[in-house]
Amino acid sequence: NAGVTQTPKFQVLKTGQSMTLQCAQDMNHNSMYWYRQDPGMGLRLIYYSASEGTTDKGEVPNGYNVSRLNKREFSLRLESAAPSQTSVYFCASTLTGVSEAFFGQGTRLTVV
Amino acid sequence: SQQGEEDPQALSIQEGENATMNCSYKTSINNLQWYRQNSGRGLVHLILIRSNEREKHSGRLRVTLDTSKKSSSLLITASRAADTASYFCATLWDSGAGSYQLTFGKGTKLSVIP
Repeated sequence: NAGVTQTPKFQVLKTGQSMTLQCAQDMNHNSMYWYRQDPGMGLRLIYYSASEGTTDKGEVPNGYNVSRLNKREFSLRLESAAPSQTSVYFCASTLTGVSEAFFGQGTRLTVV
Repeated sequence: SQQGEEDPQALSIQEGENATMNCSYKTSINNLQWYRQNSGRGLVHLILIRSNEREKHSGRLRVTLDTSKKSSSLLITASRAADTASYFCATLWDSGAGSYQLTFGKGTKLSVIP
């Protein structure tokens, strides 16, 4: 099993460009999450989807949008990238809302 | 913010010693989880302790939870060089309407010296 797969692994964007980070899980999990990790800040929740068809804002949603395309896929979109969005982005999934999370390997995004 | 706080931020020990990391959080939780992250990699789940549990063991890991003090500790016994990593606590809490958020602390960077 692949677990949680994120694409791309690395990306460089110019300020103002848009892009979508893709995340897919093959574990039939119900809940999915997007986090960003910055040095010294730990992981901060951007958006999450408790179940297919629902999405909710986390701690730092500004500048991002998400789509829960189906049960497997949860994408994160940056409409107009800013240097402050330079970060490592992690997608995670959980079987239920209260079980342990499985993480992807991350997307390292640089906005110049 | 519901974010937990780990203490210490960094810890350096000799191989064979025990390592203890602490986590404090701010609000009622459903459960508390500990994760490990090797440099440049994703997080890996280590152990989950529910709010009605006080202690849990898994191999060389021992986790305690004190909900009255809103704190938890992770003990790694007989540490190995391969335990070198960052360790994060994460709290799962009810954000309303049956929806749960998993919120992470800033982590403890553990270095185990051979």
